[in-house]
Parts: sequence; C-alpha cells; structure tokens
Amino acid sequence: EPEVTQTPSHQVTQMGQEVILRCVPISNHLYFYWYRQILGQKVEFLVSFYNNEISEKSEIFDDQFSVERPDGSNFTLKIRSTKLEDSAMYFCASSVTGRRLTYEQYFGPGTRLTVT
Amino acid sequence: AQTVTQSQPEMSVQEAETVTLSCTYDTSESNYYLFWYKQPPSRQMILVIRQEAYKQQNATENRFSVNFQKAAKSFSLKISDSQLGDTAMYFCACTRDDKIIFGKGTRLHILP
Repeated sequence: EPEVTQTPSHQVTQMGQEVILRCVPISNHLYFYWYRQILGQKVEFLVSFYNNEISEKSEIFDDQFSVERPDGSNFTLKIRSTKLEDSAMYFCASSVTGRRLTYEQYFGPGTRLTVT
Repeated sequence: AQTVTQSQPEMSVQEAETVTLSCTYDTSESNYYLFWYKQPPSRQMILVIRQEAYKQQNATENRFSVNFQKAAKSFSLKISDSQLGDTAMYFCACTRDDKIIFGKGTRLHILP
C-alpha cells in the first residue's frame, strides 16, 4: 500500500539554525499539508499546498516557515531560524483531492524536531 | 472558530471490554468529514475510522464503530473487544475546508 514517507525521523538542531524537513507524498496525490504536534498537545494545522502554491496557512506559519515542492516527488518544510518552541513532531500529509470529494489525508510517520 | 472537543482526557478499561470515547464538534459547513485517529507511543497518526457527514449510516471498521449524531454534533468511537494493542492516544478530528482540525485527545489504557 502506498504511504507518505518523511525524513529524517528525528532531527536535533541548535537554536537559530535552519532545518529542512522532507516528505515524499503518495505519488498521485495533489494536495499536501504540514501539521505540528508539540509534545503532549493536539495536532495543529500549519499549511496546505496545491498546484505549487500555498492554499492556506495558519497563524503559526509565520515568515520563519516556508514550503516547497522542489521536484515531482518531494515536499519540504523549511524553518529558517529555529526557536526552542519549534520543538515538536511535524507531520506531512497528502490527499488525492481537496475538500468536497472523497477526502482522506494520509499522514506520514512524522519528524521529531528537537531544538536545543 | 471551529472546535473539536474531547471531554475525556484519559480512560482505562480491561482487555476484552467495550469502551466509548466521546467527541463533540462545532462546524458551520454543510458537508464535512469526521475522523478518529490513533496515535501509539511511536507517535505515528493512524486513521481508525472516517465518517462523511452526509451519510446517515454509522461507519464501522471491524471492532471500531462510531455513533454519529449530526444534529447534536456528536461523534463517539466505540471499541469492542478491546485489545492491549489499542492502548494509545485517540484524536477526534473534523475537516474545515482543506485542513483537519483535531481535538486534544483521549489517552486510552487497555489493562491486562
């Protein structure tokens, strides 16, 4: 069964450093998402991406964050200058369609980001 | 703002028993989807069951079933014949536009 993959599984970085989290969505999917889960808290939406542009972003997704689909398979989340509060589990998700259709988002296994 | 509320932060049941996890939600959309996700200690998000709001019939997946009450905006998850492997965090979620809004979760312990 096709699945969303994410690399790395765990990333440790120092405060102020840039990090890039990578995701490979399911191949025929068109909509891509990033979510974040701070330890012990609920999963929060960060951004959705369709047709090579951001379709929606949350208030969490400030100028420090960016997303990109650099080629036909990868979908990346970049944090330019990490802060301690960016420590969280980051989930990538993808879906074939957006709203109003069959609608199912497939989640990757997550990348645990630790900022020290 | 759209919200998803899970009123039970933590629950424990004996193996083989049936357990029901509660969820209420608030939405202004006419068509939406509801989900239950399981998050084991590995922290991976695993879709347990999905319900489309325009379908009156409650969704079932093997030992997992839901009680969807659209008018009351209630979406509870029933786990029958609970197993040790069901121990996990369970998140109720609802779509809003293209994204998914999650509740705070219920930590479920299945006791041997």
